[in-house]
Amino acid sequence: KAGVTQTPRYLIKTRGQQVTLSCSPISGHRSVSWYQQTPGQGLQFLFEYFSETQRNKGNFPGRFSGRQFSNSRSEMNVSTLELGDSALYLCASGIADSQFFGPGTRLTVL
Amino acid sequence: QQQVKQSPQSLIVQKGGISIINCAYENTAFDYFPWYQQFPGKGPALLIAIRPDVSEKKEGRFTISFNKSAKQFSLHIMDSQPGDSATYFCAANYGQNFVFGPGTRLSVLP
Repeated sequence: KAGVTQTPRYLIKTRGQQVTLSCSPISGHRSVSWYQQTPGQGLQFLFEYFSETQRNKGNFPGRFSGRQFSNSRSEMNVSTLELGDSALYLCASGIADSQFFGPGTRLTVL
Repeated sequence: QQQVKQSPQSLIVQKGGISIINCAYENTAFDYFPWYQQFPGKGPALLIAIRPDVSEKKEGRFTISFNKSAKQFSLHIMDSQPGDSATYFCAANYGQNFVFGPGTRLSVLP
């Protein structure tokens, strides 16, 4: 089975812009979770989608949003980017109680 | 109650030595305890996992010890190799509700 794919792998944006990241989970997995990883804060949970519905949400401002499509692919959007949004954004494909991570999208906000 | 504590923050071990990383949790609803290994520039990869109905699980050089009454679990890496140098995250979850420890940076000296 193919693993979790995330696009793009690298992204450079400026403050105030918005960005959309994409994640394709492992075939057959219906859960997709998003995490923000920074050196100082570790892995921070953003939200989880299951069958196109947001099932769980972390403590992030409303600028961070996501959605999931009928084929389980997911996107996350960050609006009005801030310098502090620079991070590695990880998508995890889930089934039962297991999660498998993609390679991440490295977002740099200038 | 949702926290997972992990120690040490960093660890330096000689080649051939034993690396030990410890984690503790509070929420007794957690029923699955995975460990992830992350190399620089990569997403975390599932290494080994345990359920609370067993006290130990071994896969190759990697062993998880689990103490349900103390709500603690640990990862032991036997015969540590330079290729094991990475950041290790413990996690605890029920379903797709994952909570990650802050990570341990392991360096194995040749």
